[in-house]
Amino acid sequence: DIVMTQSPLSLPVTPGEPASISCRSSQSLLHSNGYNFLDWYLQKPGQSPQLLIYLGSNRASGVPDRFSGGGSGTDFTLKISRVEAEDVGVYYCMQGLEAPPYSFGQGTRLEIK
Amino acid sequence: EVQLVESGGGLVQPGGSLRLSCAASGFTFSSYSMNWVRQAPGKGLEWISYISKTSSNIYDADSVKGRITVSRDNAKNSLYLQMNSLRAEDTAVYYCAKISSWGNYFDHWGQGTLVTVSS
Repeated sequence: DIVMTQSPLSLPVTPGEPASISCRSSQSLLHSNGYNFLDWYLQKPGQSPQLLIYLGSNRASGVPDRFSGGGSGTDFTLKISRVEAEDVGVYYCMQGLEAPPYSFGQGTRLEIK
Repeated sequence: EVQLVESGGGLVQPGGSLRLSCAASGFTFSSYSMNWVRQAPGKGLEWISYISKTSSNIYDADSVKGRITVSRDNAKNSLYLQMNSLRAEDTAVYYCAKISSWGNYFDHWGQGTLVTVSS
């Protein structure tokens, strides 16, 4: 099974400052169709997870453009250009290439300084 | 609007059974594969089960294999998870999640239902 590793696990950020989360997979997530089967989810406090970024770099409907996803193969990054208070929560990466089984990263908790 | 509403959670004794349901609306349920994902208290997300749109393909995580049965009723727009031989470590919020039509990812999640296994 593919193992997903996120860093950091905790991320304190000052509002208005950028933030970056890394996700690494134990195997390449690049499909033969050219897409990376790597997605990002945000779980806000007390809520269920919501899709942020799919297939590596595509923002889900309604996701602000301050969120961007990048990377390819085994190394991926979620970037927030200017963190806002509403961005607080736990961010998860997930692979869908060799799935099922799907595998998630451990989660990165973003908090406001 | 897509809606997924889980139900059936509660307190159950170790070794007991529980059946969870997920009622779907706002999309053509029979056209999409579905999944169950759980989250133990204070922990991360764990995928546990997948069922294809016609129920022809089913996959379970090793951690629950042999103790769970996923099923669906497309006529009732409903997804189910039968859990048997429950253990304390099965205590979690259980989410149903819909597969996107564009790729192998979850584009909608339910609000979750809490299962507590305790004597």
